[in-house]
Amino acid sequence: DTGVSQDPRHKITKRGQNVTFRCDPISEHNRLYWYRQTLGQGPEFLTYFQNEAQLEKSRLLSDRFSAERPKGSFSTLEIQRTEQGDSAMYLCASVRGDRQPQHFGDGTRLSIL
Amino acid sequence: GDSVTQMEGPVTLSEEAFLTINCTYTATGYPSLFWYVQYPGEGLQLLLKATKADDKGSNKGFEATYRKETTSFHLEKGSVQVSDSAVYFCALSNYGQNFVFGPGTRLSVLP
Repeated sequence: DTGVSQDPRHKITKRGQNVTFRCDPISEHNRLYWYRQTLGQGPEFLTYFQNEAQLEKSRLLSDRFSAERPKGSFSTLEIQRTEQGDSAMYLCASVRGDRQPQHFGDGTRLSIL
Repeated sequence: GDSVTQMEGPVTLSEEAFLTINCTYTATGYPSLFWYVQYPGEGLQLLLKATKADDKGSNKGFEATYRKETTSFHLEKGSVQVSDSAVYFCALSNYGQNFVFGPGTRLSVLP
């Protein structure tokens, strides 16, 4: 169990640029979640995958956001035409199944200049 | 849908004081309950869990008991340390449902 890893840890970019984050879940976990967290708040659900299928997307996930999980392994979250309001910590978590604990990565902190 | 309520804090304690952070939930059936801790600049770490009524989860001196009759899962520690300063999240997971997190409670422990 090597844990959930996220890359990069920090991303600074100019408004209007595209960014992509990567998440590598725990290998035997078939569910993968993306969350957004702003300062002083709890994690806000964005989307989740069961294997390679994206089963649910939050209303927070505007058309500028897209997530993939090819082959049911790692996942990427892309934000196009970044805006100031996208500045946040983006967290990834994986889980084995219902009623099991989610395991989180350390997150990617996005700062928009 | 399922929901979690917890005291929002912030909570400020002196070192070696007793800690209680209240958490109550609303859910159908028998969810699993969790406490997570988040240190600055890091992701959430699982602190403890309980999967059925009357289960007691414990880790690093922290404890919480799954109380079905009061739908509660309060976090306790007998003697807090400065290193316990962090944000604590109560959460639940139910069949066919996504994880539900409480709003988090910031704990500051002063030397």
